[in-house]
Amino acid sequence: DAGVIQSPRHEVTEMGQEVTLRCKPISGHNSLFWYRQTMMRGLELLIYFNNNVPIDDSGMPEDRFSAKMPNASFSTLKIQPSEPRDSAVYFCASRGQGLRSGANVLTFGAGSRLTVL
Amino acid sequence: LAKTTQPISMDSYEGQEVNITCSHNNIATNDYITWYQQFPSQGPRFIIQGYKTKVTNEVASLFIPADRKSSTLSLPRVSLSDTAVYYCLVGVPGNTPLVFGKGTRLSVIA
Repeated sequence: DAGVIQSPRHEVTEMGQEVTLRCKPISGHNSLFWYRQTMMRGLELLIYFNNNVPIDDSGMPEDRFSAKMPNASFSTLKIQPSEPRDSAVYFCASRGQGLRSGANVLTFGAGSRLTVL
Repeated sequence: LAKTTQPISMDSYEGQEVNITCSHNNIATNDYITWYQQFPSQGPRFIIQGYKTKVTNEVASLFIPADRKSSTLSLPRVSLSDTAVYYCLVGVPGNTPLVFGKGTRLSVIA
């Protein structure tokens, strides 16, 4: 299993440009999470999906942020227009199901480091 | 969601045992305790999960007292490569979103 795959690993863009981050979860996992990490705010949960349906997007900072999960193997996080304060590492994570201990922990991708100039 | 409190940072010498304690006074009956480790420039990764008493795996041990209001992650004989941020989370597995606190930054010194 290749794990959770995120792309791009690094992106540098200018303020006002559209940014699209992509995530492929682990096959068979039914929950997908988008997190953002900065030095000041730590790891923040932005949105999560269960069975491709958005469950809680209360962590999405503004209307400039949107996320989709068109199928079980793909999700995108879009920022339009981007601003310098959006600079952060964005992590995608997926989780399986089941209640036995250890069966349903998060597996994170390597992250996408975004720099908005 | 049960709130957790951990030390912000800890230092240790190589070869020592490190114990990181997490307080979760309002843990609910169905909550589990899960620890993650994050190295620089990587996403967090699962270390260990437990409900009560003691859990041990190849990486660490997790000690949970009877009242479950705290838990201790124990790393035996740490090495430089154990330098990372360690997060304690409490929640019902598979049922709640996982909210990460600030974690404990462990620095292992040669």
